Amino acid sequence: QKEVEQNSGPLSVPEGAIASLNCTYSDRGSQSFFWYRQYSGKSPELIMSIYSNGDKEDGRFTAQLNKASQYVSLLIRDSQPSDSATYLCAVTRPPYNNNDMRFGAGTRLTVKP
Amino acid sequence: GAVVSQHPSWVICKSGTSVKIECRSLDFQATTMFWYRQFPKQSLMLMATSNEGSKATYEQGVEKDKFLINHASLTLSTLTVTSAHPEDSSFYICSAGPSVGYEQYFGPGTRLTVT
Repeated sequence: QKEVEQNSGPLSVPEGAIASLNCTYSDRGSQSFFWYRQYSGKSPELIMSIYSNGDKEDGRFTAQLNKASQYVSLLIRDSQPSDSATYLCAVTRPPYNNNDMRFGAGTRLTVKP
Repeated sequence: GAVVSQHPSWVICKSGTSVKIECRSLDFQATTMFWYRQFPKQSLMLMATSNEGSKATYEQGVEKDKFLINHASLTLSTLTVTSAHPEDSSFYICSAGPSVGYEQYFGPGTRLTVT
């Protein structure tokens, strides 16, 4: 079982729709969860972090965490063509005394005008 | 957010030569930095964890004698690709974070082409 799993996609949504990205992780001890966006040819940029169960909203983005189910998701409301990118889920890993984290393979999102 | 820089942004070198890539945290100190490699259309692959004042920790399958890492200060880590070969051509990215257990921030990456 991979440490962090994501549906590779591609996920295609029309402009203005809600895009839903999902991620599961294997280590129950993980404490911190992140979503990064990576445009083609660029390095990842942080868009959301979440540390406790529930929802966290930031503009058009909402991160959801369910530690019991070992599941984290990202919702993008009012999707724009500029949101087209690969979204990476990242989860901290033992020994948790540094910033070591594991990344999923990423979900490629395409927002069609 | 915190800022991480990398230099150079791209480099072309001949097979057999060595290339050094710098990673700097500009507005925070980082006892730990991470080096990743990414091939086209593939996911990030962690190569090694760079620890200030001590030896780097390499992931399984990464040759420590080929990819030399030096974390000489709390704001600078370097990755040297020794005796580079065309198969080392890739996108190398570093990351660091100001607080343990919280966000990592990525540098802009260095695209290495070995001819």
